[in-house]
Amino acid sequence: DTGVSQDPRHKITKRGQNVTFRCDPISEHNRLYWYRQTLGQGPEFLTYFQNEAQLEKSRLLSDRFSAERPKGSFSTLEIQRTEQGDSAMYLCASSLHNTDTQYFGPGTRLTVL
Amino acid sequence: EDQVTQSPEALRLQEGESSSLNCSYTVSGLRGLFWYRQDPGKGPEFLFTLYSAGEEKEKERLKATLTKKESFLHITAPKPEDSATYLCAVHGSGNTGKLIFGQGTTLQVKP
Repeated sequence: DTGVSQDPRHKITKRGQNVTFRCDPISEHNRLYWYRQTLGQGPEFLTYFQNEAQLEKSRLLSDRFSAERPKGSFSTLEIQRTEQGDSAMYLCASSLHNTDTQYFGPGTRLTVL
Repeated sequence: EDQVTQSPEALRLQEGESSSLNCSYTVSGLRGLFWYRQDPGKGPEFLFTLYSAGEEKEKERLKATLTKKESFLHITAPKPEDSATYLCAVHGSGNTGKLIFGQGTTLQVKP
């Protein structure tokens, strides 16, 4: 059984560029979550999917952020017109049900220059 | 508002020196408290889930306990490989299942 995978692991981009991250959850997990973590802080919730439906978005998720999970399997998180404040670790997690343990991927470290 | 506070922020121990990490929480109707371990540059690794006051769980040198207001992660005779950041989280109010995390406790165990 493979765990949650994320790609890329690291991304360096210039301010104003668009970036896209991918997350592959544990197979048969129907819930998928995105979190953002900055240095010295715990992860902060961004959004989540149940199957292909995006059911909640945090107010941290500005209009420049969009997430999809088109077939209820993998998910993508896109950031348009990146800003230096977007530099963070972007974590993906999946679970079987809403009260179940969430298992995290290794994260994507974004650096915006 | 749901809130999780961990203390201390950082802890240095000598190998074999037992101690405890604290997680205080405020949430409407606890539906699960989670402990994770996070190594630098990696994603959180699941350790324990606790659901009700009085519950305890153990794994190797770690033991997690839960009361109505806080949880403790007890580390017995720690080894250098236990060095990591330990994160506490609770399920937020509502049915989303989103986790509310504390800021973590960074543990360093010296040989």
